[in-house]
Amino acid sequence: SAVISQKPSRDICQRGTSLTIQCQVDSQVTMMFWYRQQPGQSLTLIATANQGSEATYESGFVIDKFPISRPNLTFSTLTVSNMSPEDSSIYLCSVGVLYEQYFGPGTRLTVT
Amino acid sequence: ELKVEQNPLFLSMQEGKNYTIYCNYSTTSDRLYWYRQDPGKSLESLFVLLSNGAVKQEGRLMASLDTKARLSTLHITAAVHDLSATYFCAVLNNDMRFGAGTRLTVKP
Repeated sequence: SAVISQKPSRDICQRGTSLTIQCQVDSQVTMMFWYRQQPGQSLTLIATANQGSEATYESGFVIDKFPISRPNLTFSTLTVSNMSPEDSSIYLCSVGVLYEQYFGPGTRLTVT
Repeated sequence: ELKVEQNPLFLSMQEGKNYTIYCNYSTTSDRLYWYRQDPGKSLESLFVLLSNGAVKQEGRLMASLDTKARLSTLHITAAVHDLSATYFCAVLNNDMRFGAGTRLTVKP
């Protein structure tokens, strides 16, 4: 299994600022995934982060807006840059261990 | 591109009744997940279905997978209020794609 923690758990930010979300896993994993869940919606994959290489972004998400770091096998960060109210969402990181896919508790972001 | 369709999107049930949630997906995959999400919470894993014909049961929930039909079902038996939540199916094919979710409300 995997236990995932995220920081911060929630934040209220002003338009135009940036927020970096941290994801820590209690075991080493090859890939980490970042998802966005807009209010009342399903989860959308933002990017896949492999250690030692550039993250792979899904259609509609770009590195300038959502830069990701993956410095080691247990940690990743996602930055939401130049925020607008449309970025208000829950951001979740996820890892796969064997056949299971685990999710962190999420970071609830509100942009005013 | 993999598409995952889930229905119904909203489901209001009376306690004690049975119902089924359906999950269709568009491309071949041998791994399907069901998750539960309570308001303001993260996702709780319910089932991982790994092969055609797989059936798993936990309490009042039973999930099945037909890879030939690209269909999974989540069957609810004798619903109780505690089952009220949003249920997501998700399909793994290189990465994981989620259905839109079924918001289940169980009324007394």
